Amino acid sequence: DTGVSQDPRHKITKRGQNVTFRCDPISEHNRLYWYRQTLGQGPEFLTYFQNEAQLEKSRLLSDRFSAERPKGSFSTLEIQRTEQGDSAMYLCASSLVPGVGKLFFGSGTQLSVL
Amino acid sequence: AQKITQTQPGMFVQEKEAVTLDCTYDTSDQSYGLFWYKQPSSGEMIFLIYQGSYDEQNATEGRYSLNFQKARKSANLVISASQLGDSAMYFCAMREGPQARQLTFGSGTQLTVLP
Repeated sequence: DTGVSQDPRHKITKRGQNVTFRCDPISEHNRLYWYRQTLGQGPEFLTYFQNEAQLEKSRLLSDRFSAERPKGSFSTLEIQRTEQGDSAMYLCASSLVPGVGKLFFGSGTQLSVL
Repeated sequence: AQKITQTQPGMFVQEKEAVTLDCTYDTSDQSYGLFWYKQPSSGEMIFLIYQGSYDEQNATEGRYSLNFQKARKSANLVISASQLGDSAMYFCAMREGPQARQLTFGSGTQLTVLP
């Protein structure tokens, strides 16, 4: 068990570019979540997968955001036409069902849009 | 209304002393769960403790205990015998409903342990 892994740790991009982040959950965890955290705030929920199915999306997730989890393993989060307001830490978490919903988080990807 | 309120942006505690971090919540669900996470400067959120709304006893995990007062809708985290490594951001979070998938987090409390 190596924990939740996220790549890259840091990403700097210019406004208008597309970026993609990857998350590798704990191997036996079938639930995967993406959260976004801005400076001085707690994480905000973006989207949730159970196995390969994306079952819930926050209204925070605009059309420029898309997430996938092919084969129920790793997940990717893509942001198209990035805006300066997208600058944040993007956190991935996984959990195991059944359970109380305890989430195991990765170290996040820090996105800076210039 | 805020779902999770943490009114202490920053707290200081002397090493080896106990400290209480406040959290109040707002929900109309009867079934919910309350969590505390620690976020050190490295960025990773670390689960500390969980309390279910139907749990009659306060949760404890080592030096962490959760002071759950249901009628007051508060779920304060108590850290006993503080250590320098406890310096971090602490977040209270809630899962509303038995089938809910997401956690709602508060804005956090920055705890600094003084030597």
